[in-house]
Amino acid sequence: SYELTQPPSVSVSPGQTASITCSGDKLGDKYACWYQQKPGQSPLLVIYQDTKRPSGIPERFSGSNSGNTATLTISGTQAMDEADYYCQAWDSSAAGVFGGGTKVTVL
Amino acid sequence: QVTLRESGPALVKPTQTLTLTCTFSGFSLNTYGMCVSWIRQPPGKALEWLARIDWDDDKYYSTSLKTRLTVSKDTSKNQVVLTMTNMDPVDAATYFCARTSAIPVAGDFYYYMDVWGEGTTVIVSS
Repeated sequence: SYELTQPPSVSVSPGQTASITCSGDKLGDKYACWYQQKPGQSPLLVIYQDTKRPSGIPERFSGSNSGNTATLTISGTQAMDEADYYCQAWDSSAAGVFGGGTKVTVL
Repeated sequence: QVTLRESGPALVKPTQTLTLTCTFSGFSLNTYGMCVSWIRQPPGKALEWLARIDWDDDKYYSTSLKTRLTVSKDTSKNQVVLTMTNMDPVDAATYFCARTSAIPVAGDFYYYMDVWGEGTTVIVSS
């Protein structure tokens, strides 16, 4: 079965850039999206189709996807960005697959 | 405004069948490109995708759980129902439904889960 791998945690200072990776076999041949989940809340879509931001998502969130790795970048990270982030893609049988999640800590 | 709400039993016994309902508003599953997915999250763990039903009644299931899952829709009621058979304590989780939008890309579709419900928590215990 298809797997997506994320680092368990990423730490970033306020105002700096956080990069969260998501690795999967030939992930660049698929589209990736990213979800933000704060404690006790439902996931929120922040990036879809590799690079697109839904309405209302700040411009500091951006995405890329190439080769085996998709990356979510948070530029000028704010304290409110502290959350768990999950990547997601669809496998060859059209089943959804999530990464294991990355906890972003803003120190 | 698009909203989704999950409902179902908070407690089921091992071996029982779980039935969850997703009631939504602000969109129709009769509309081209509209779908609903189910996702679960055990306490303190990662999200796990379970199933999806599309506007044309196509259905897709998690490879590891497909023998236990059934998804169906009632477009007149704006509801999607997920059943999971043979429940086990490891199935305890918060279960979410999410509107899933399909956009045509290069002769196929790309799907993304753009609006989520609040989730419903299920405990499995005798």
